[in-house]
Amino acid sequence: QSVLTQPPSASGTPGQRVTISCSGSSSNIGNNYVYWYQQFPGTAPKLLIYRNNQRPSGVPDRFSGSKSGTSASLAISGLRSEDEADYYCATWDDSLSGVVFGGGTKLTVL
Amino acid sequence: EVQLVESGGGLVQPGRSLRLSCTASGFTFGDYAMSWVRQAPGKGLEWVGYIRSKAYGGTTEYAASVKGRFTISRDDSKSIAYLQMNSLKTEDTAVYYCTRTYCSGGICYATYMDVWGKGTTVTVSS
Repeated sequence: QSVLTQPPSASGTPGQRVTISCSGSSSNIGNNYVYWYQQFPGTAPKLLIYRNNQRPSGVPDRFSGSKSGTSASLAISGLRSEDEADYYCATWDDSLSGVVFGGGTKLTVL
Repeated sequence: EVQLVESGGGLVQPGRSLRLSCTASGFTFGDYAMSWVRQAPGKGLEWVGYIRSKAYGGTTEYAASVKGRFTISRDDSKSIAYLQMNSLKTEDTAVYYCTRTYCSGGICYATYMDVWGKGTTVTVSS
């Protein structure tokens, strides 16, 4: 059971906007930055969003992150087939003194 | 090109030890913290721990699941980070990723992992 809760799956059609939620508590999301990672099958994860809503160089602006209270969201607009991947949220947990990940959300582009 | 390459994975019996290495290139290794993240077969990501850069004390933090069994160290002269794994259990079976972790303004942001290696597979089985 992950400390951060994500839906196990999400889906959308090309061009749609999809959001993936990440729910935590005051000891983690509520008091720390949220990060999002994208992982394609058989490959290493890649940093997608840092510090709640910042995109690293090279990440399309179709990807956006937000945080409110003890929850965070990743939004993908203009969905493309190449966005089909697993997405993980992560943050620091003050109580555990460590990094915690969500269980991951498998995004399917229909 | 910024790159991390893990090595040292393999098949090991429960209770034995294994040391993983992470060789960095393309950036000033000593300026960054280094982390290890693992992924069991078919499962999600699990943070293992990290070591801060020398400028931030070179200290370490670990996940509860590995604390006391795993040790992270670094050799800045060789640009290598290590993960020493002792008393291995079957549940330690996973792909182990090395990551570069950002430090700035007096803080190392352990979750800010901006470069990842391809991973090395560790299988703990009798």
